[in-house]
Amino acid sequence: GAVVSQHPSWVICKSGTSVKIECRSLDFQATTMFWYRQFPKQSLMLMATSNEGSKATYEQGVEKDKFLINHASLTLSTLTVTSAHPEDSSFYICSASGSGRGTDTQYFGPGTRLTVL
Amino acid sequence: GNSVTQMEGPVTLSEEAFLTINCTYTATGYPSLFWYVQYPGEGLQLLLKATKADDKGSNKGFEATYRKETTSFHLEKGSVQVSDSAVYFCALTGSGGSNYKLTFGKGTLLTVNP
Repeated sequence: GAVVSQHPSWVICKSGTSVKIECRSLDFQATTMFWYRQFPKQSLMLMATSNEGSKATYEQGVEKDKFLINHASLTLSTLTVTSAHPEDSSFYICSASGSGRGTDTQYFGPGTRLTVL
Repeated sequence: GNSVTQMEGPVTLSEEAFLTINCTYTATGYPSLFWYVQYPGEGLQLLLKATKADDKGSNKGFEATYRKETTSFHLEKGSVQVSDSAVYFCALTGSGGSNYKLTFGKGTLLTVNP
C-alpha cells in the first residue's frame, strides 16, 4: 500500500522555539498533502491543504503565520510551528494523495506528537 | 455541507463477537466513503473504501456497503479479535472538483476483550 512517513515521531520543545515536522510520501507522488491536528480522544481537524509548488490553503481559524507549510516537491511537505506555546501541544498528522494512488484517497502518516513546555 | 454521523462509543465486545459500527452521511452528489482505523498512539490507516453506490469495501474481515438509498456505510465484522481494538473513523470526500477534503465522523472506540 501507499506509505507516508513523518519525522520526528515525537518532539519536546521549549516555549517560544520553532519546530519543523516533515511528511514524506515514500512510494508515490503526492500532488496534494494535508495537515491535521488531533486532540486527545477527538477526531482530526484539518489545518491546511497544500499542492506541490503552490501556497497552502488554510482552514478558517488556523493562523498561517504560525503554522508554516511548504510543499516544495512531490514527495515532501513540511509544517513549521513557529514560536510554539503550550497550547500548540498536540498530535499532528499529515496525509497525502496523488497520481497512481487514487486522488480521492488520502494516506496518512503515523503522526508527530508535539509537547511544548 | 457534508457531514458524517457515526455511532457513539465506546463499544466493548468479547473476542469472536459480531461487530457493527453505524455510519450515515449527508452529502451532495456521489461522495466516496471510507473507514479509517487508528491504533493507540498511531496515525490513521485506510481500512476500506467504496466509491459508488452498492459497492462493498472489504479488508481484514471488515466489510461496509455503500447504501445510497439510506445514505449509510455501516462497518461490520463477523468475529472480532483483541487486535481489532482501536478507534474507527467513518469519512467521506465530496464528488468532483475541489471536494477532495475528508469529512470525518467523531470516531468510535472499540475495545475487544479476550
